[in-house]
Amino acid sequence: SQQGEEDPQALSIQEGENATMNCSYKTSINNLQWYRQNSGRGLVHLILIRSNEREKHSGRLRVTLDTSKKSSSLLITASRAADTASYFCATDKETSGSRLTFGEGTQLTVNP
Amino acid sequence: ETGVTQSPTHLIKTRGQQVTLRCSSQSGHNTVSWYQQALGQGPQFIFQYYREEENGRGNFPPRFSGLQFPNYSSELNVNALELDDSALYLCASSSRRNNEQFFGPGTRLTVL
Repeated sequence: SQQGEEDPQALSIQEGENATMNCSYKTSINNLQWYRQNSGRGLVHLILIRSNEREKHSGRLRVTLDTSKKSSSLLITASRAADTASYFCATDKETSGSRLTFGEGTQLTVNP
Repeated sequence: ETGVTQSPTHLIKTRGQQVTLRCSSQSGHNTVSWYQQALGQGPQFIFQYYREEENGRGNFPPRFSGLQFPNYSSELNVNALELDDSALYLCASSSRRNNEQFFGPGTRLTVL
């Protein structure tokens, strides 16, 4: 079963707008990672946030983590058509070592 | 580019056949994890190898097996293929220092 659930399932925005995707999970985690996937190809690692961190930035990406609500959000600012992809969150749990458990992803479409 | 490579890119097999997929890990990484991603879903953890030993397994039957070699590259073997085995197979490499997992481009397996 999936540990994480992304919300929304699909998001369509215009270039230049911000995109926010959310991820919820069920059990305590060590880390939460966000990945991007283009058209059924390999996953591109975007960012890792540890359970003791609350916010992390990387370029146009901002990730927050709220362990009390068991949720995370990924914000992409000033989106571009090239950001069109599926975005997944993945968690690794304290009780299951380093295996990643993925949600089902958010399909982001950025219209030029 | 992550430095993780997989071969072959695509593969077509028939039910009952056996398949071997290969993965070369990123330089400096000693852990390889394998995931199965069905169309429209998030990746599901199959198993992980560390120092040539299986180090955790997901909910997959024994006909899914693997190996890791001294150079940390890895193989995924699937026996008695079933139609539902059709999927994108992803490998990811990581180090024990943290659990940032970097994925290869995947092998698309079609079982007819």
